[in-house]
Amino acid sequence: EVQLVESGGGLVQPGGSLRLSCAASGFTFSSYWMSWVRQAPGKGLEWVANIKPDGGEKYYVDSVKGRFTISRDNAKNSLYLQMNSLRAEDTAVYYCAKGYCSISCPYWYFDLWGRGTLVTVSS
Amino acid sequence: DIQMTQSPSSLSASVGDRVTITCRASQSISSYLNWYQQKPGRAPNVLIYAASSLQSGVPSRFSGSGSGTDFTLTISSLQPEDFGTYYCQQSYSPPYTFGQGTRLEIK
Repeated sequence: EVQLVESGGGLVQPGGSLRLSCAASGFTFSSYWMSWVRQAPGKGLEWVANIKPDGGEKYYVDSVKGRFTISRDNAKNSLYLQMNSLRAEDTAVYYCAKGYCSISCPYWYFDLWGRGTLVTVSS
Repeated sequence: DIQMTQSPSSLSASVGDRVTITCRASQSISSYLNWYQQKPGRAPNVLIYAASSLQSGVPSRFSGSGSGTDFTLTISSLQPEDFGTYYCQQSYSPPYTFGQGTRLEIK
């Protein structure tokens, strides 16, 4: 089955750290750009970071630069997000999402999403 | 960063109505514009990519148009299952920003 399954969310104190994981299955994980997208409670979607298929390029939204690190292990079909120095405003559901383009390239879009994992930053 | 502005923020419409949602980019993004639908408690699903291409499996009542800075999502004949929140997203350059969302309610 083609799917993404996130894990690792939970309650953490401000200033703490958390590592999210996303397990991919049913497609050739090593061929696709992967992203993390978050959604604060009752709010809209915010793209957080993405990583090239070979891990050689990474991009981040300004609000997480220097605090979050995206990585991947293609041998394990897994995507990760290391989150340090967490703040209350990082509280959100974090989605793993696969970037895709085919005949539409270079126009790409998110064609597969996980169900998300909730991160709550609170004392 | 490219800012994406959607309008309206919310709307209520009846089954069978024609519904239009607009999205404006703060700079030209060519056709690097996608539309997603999100239902409560669920992950988003892509409806339209590259501004006007219909994703496989999405009903043909959904259509997209525009290029440059101004884009439109149209639902030609609203159905009960079309409730939810709609987001535009630019895939032109990082950070790949989303619009703030349009909440669609069925009267």
